Amino acid sequence: GQQLNQSPQSMFIQEGEDVSMNCTSSSIFNTWLWYKQDPGEGPVLLIALYKAGELTSNGRLTAQFGITRKDSFLNISASIPSDVGIYFCAGQPTSGSARQLTFGSGTQLTVLP
Amino acid sequence: DAGVTQSPTHLIKTRGQHVTLRCSPISGHKSVSWYQQVLGQGPQFIFQYYEKEERGRGNFPDRFSARQFPNYSSELNVNALLLGDSALYLCASSFGPGAANYGYTFGSGTRLTVV
Repeated sequence: GQQLNQSPQSMFIQEGEDVSMNCTSSSIFNTWLWYKQDPGEGPVLLIALYKAGELTSNGRLTAQFGITRKDSFLNISASIPSDVGIYFCAGQPTSGSARQLTFGSGTQLTVLP
Repeated sequence: DAGVTQSPTHLIKTRGQHVTLRCSPISGHKSVSWYQQVLGQGPQFIFQYYEKEERGRGNFPDRFSARQFPNYSSELNVNALLLGDSALYLCASSFGPGAANYGYTFGSGTRLTVV
C-alpha cells in the first residue's frame, strides 16, 4: 500500500525562527494537503495543493506540490507560540472510486519562548 | 455555520462489546469518511460514503461497518471490541468524494477507550 514518510518527527525551535517539514511518497498523488492538529481536536486544514509544481501560501505558511507528484513541503516563517501542535501531510491517490487520504506520521512542533 | 459534529466525544467500552459512533457533516456536504487515529500516529482510512453508497473501505476487519442516512449523517459500528480498537475516531466531511473544494473538514472526534 501507499506509504508517506514525513520528516522530521519532532522539532524544537525558538520563537521567530522559520520551520520546514516535508513528506515523500512511494506513489504518485494528485492532491497534497497539510493539516494541523491540536490535542483533543481533529486535524484542521492549512493548505491544499492540486497541481504539480504549485506553490501556495496561507499567511506565514507556504507549501509546495513537488514536480514528481511524490513529495511536498511545508514552511512556516517567523514561528509564534500558537504554532505549537502536530502537523500532518496527507495525499490523495490518482485513481480509485474512493478518494481516501493517506496521512504521514506527523511532525510535532514545539516553539520555545 | 455548524462544522462536523461527532457524538459522543468520549466513550469507554469493555472488550467484546459493540459501539456506535455518529457523525453529522457540514450542511450541503454529501460525503462522509471515517478515520481511526491511534495515539502517536496519523489517521488511517476506514470508510468513505458518498450519496449513501460506500465508495471505499480501508484495511480494517469486518467487525467495522458503517452507513450513511438520507440526511447524509453517518454511523460507524464496531463489533466485538478489542483493546487495540482504542483510538480517536474521526469523521471527515466533504462536498464530493474528492479533496477538491478545500479538502476534507474533520470533526473533533470520538475518543474510544476499550478496557
